[in-house]
Amino acid sequence: DTGVSQDPRHKITKRGQNVTFRCDPISEHNRLYWYRQTLGQGPEFLTYFQNEAQLEKSRLLSDRFSAERPKGSFSTLEIQRTEQGDSAMYLCASSLALAGVPNTGELFFGEGSRLTVL
Amino acid sequence: AQKITQTQPGMFVQEKEAVTLDCTYDTSDPSYGLFWYKQPSSGEMIFLIYQGSYDQQNATEGRYSLNFQKARKSANLVISASQLGDSAMYFCAMREGGRKLIFGQGTELSVKP
Repeated sequence: DTGVSQDPRHKITKRGQNVTFRCDPISEHNRLYWYRQTLGQGPEFLTYFQNEAQLEKSRLLSDRFSAERPKGSFSTLEIQRTEQGDSAMYLCASSLALAGVPNTGELFFGEGSRLTVL
Repeated sequence: AQKITQTQPGMFVQEKEAVTLDCTYDTSDPSYGLFWYKQPSSGEMIFLIYQGSYDQQNATEGRYSLNFQKARKSANLVISASQLGDSAMYFCAMREGGRKLIFGQGTELSVKP
């Protein structure tokens, strides 16, 4: 399977625990995005990387959230001291963006990691 | 301010009929792209169609077409000949310049047999 993969698909944790999600993008894609989606809502942007550089972070991303993409390939999203309000689907997406090359820049999404904080 | 507005929380359509899902957007950037994604109950986000702000013609992809009215800042999705498998959430999204996609709240489409 050469699509975007996310792990774990489901995570149940107790309030106050730390959780980490991993995303493996499509191999030739240089951009990687994290979104959060709660029930009945559209995906909300959290952050994105171009290669290993984190280019933008949403104000939604409190200091309990940290994302990395150390080698410009896979990425991790860590949530420290989880709260019940963190319960959501965390979506990862990747895309290819090349300077001077026109393309739609569509995002290819993984199946998401569903977090439940008890 | 909302960048992407989808005013229809839910829509019903009879199988084989056409349906239009509304989307309006707000941007001052002359270069932007508009996207529609489908999210079935299984959860994956499926790209449907793209329209660039400089594209002269409305985008079409099979049964999907995008009714792009630039002056009105609307980008409605038209699904022709609806099928039962079209029942899903539909999200309109916009990219300004080369940056992130911003999504609307979505419209839940139910196709009746």
